[in-house]
Amino acid sequence: QKEVEQNSGPLSVPEGAIASLNCTYSDRGSQSFFWYRQYSGKSPELIMFIYSNGDKEDGRFTAQLNKASQYVSLLIRDSQPSDSATYLCAVDLTSYDKVIFGPGTSLSVIP
Amino acid sequence: EAGVVQSPRYKIIEKKQPVAFWCNPISGHNTLYWYRQNLGQGPELLIRYENEEAVDDSQLPKDRFSAERLKGVDSTLKIQPAELGDSAVYLCASSLAGAAYEQYFGPGTRLTVT
Repeated sequence: QKEVEQNSGPLSVPEGAIASLNCTYSDRGSQSFFWYRQYSGKSPELIMFIYSNGDKEDGRFTAQLNKASQYVSLLIRDSQPSDSATYLCAVDLTSYDKVIFGPGTSLSVIP
Repeated sequence: EAGVVQSPRYKIIEKKQPVAFWCNPISGHNTLYWYRQNLGQGPELLIRYENEEAVDDSQLPKDRFSAERLKGVDSTLKIQPAELGDSAVYLCASSLAGAAYEQYFGPGTRLTVT
């Protein structure tokens, strides 16, 4: 079982819709969870992080964490074409003191 | 404030040739990471430095890859000899000590081995 799993996509949503990106992880001891955005040909940039169960909102982005289900999600409201990118889920494997990235989900927002 | 600097941005070499990548982290960032990213995959950690000490190199293919971070600032990643499967983007990132949750990535070096 891979440590961090994501649907590879591509996920296509119309402009203005809600995009939902999902991530599961295998290490129950993980404490911190991150979402990075990576535009084609560019390097990853951190957009959200979450530590506690529940929701964390930042503008149009909401991160959701359910540690019992080992599940993290990212919701993007009012999706814009500029949101088209690959979204990488990353998990802090506390027991190994390292951050592991998932394979990423490609999102395409159609005007 | 300058971001993470990497060079070169692109490199094309023939297999069996050596290649080196250079990284200058954000000023004050003690932790430096080298990642390899294959097409359609997330970054895979190769080595992590805390100052000049390599604290995690478990994923570094030591038969052909080497890295150094002299004086705890700039770092160099070397491959010798390169193989076709080494074609990837090599990313350098840095963070404050203990702040792996907030890594800043450089633009990467795209390596093509022919």
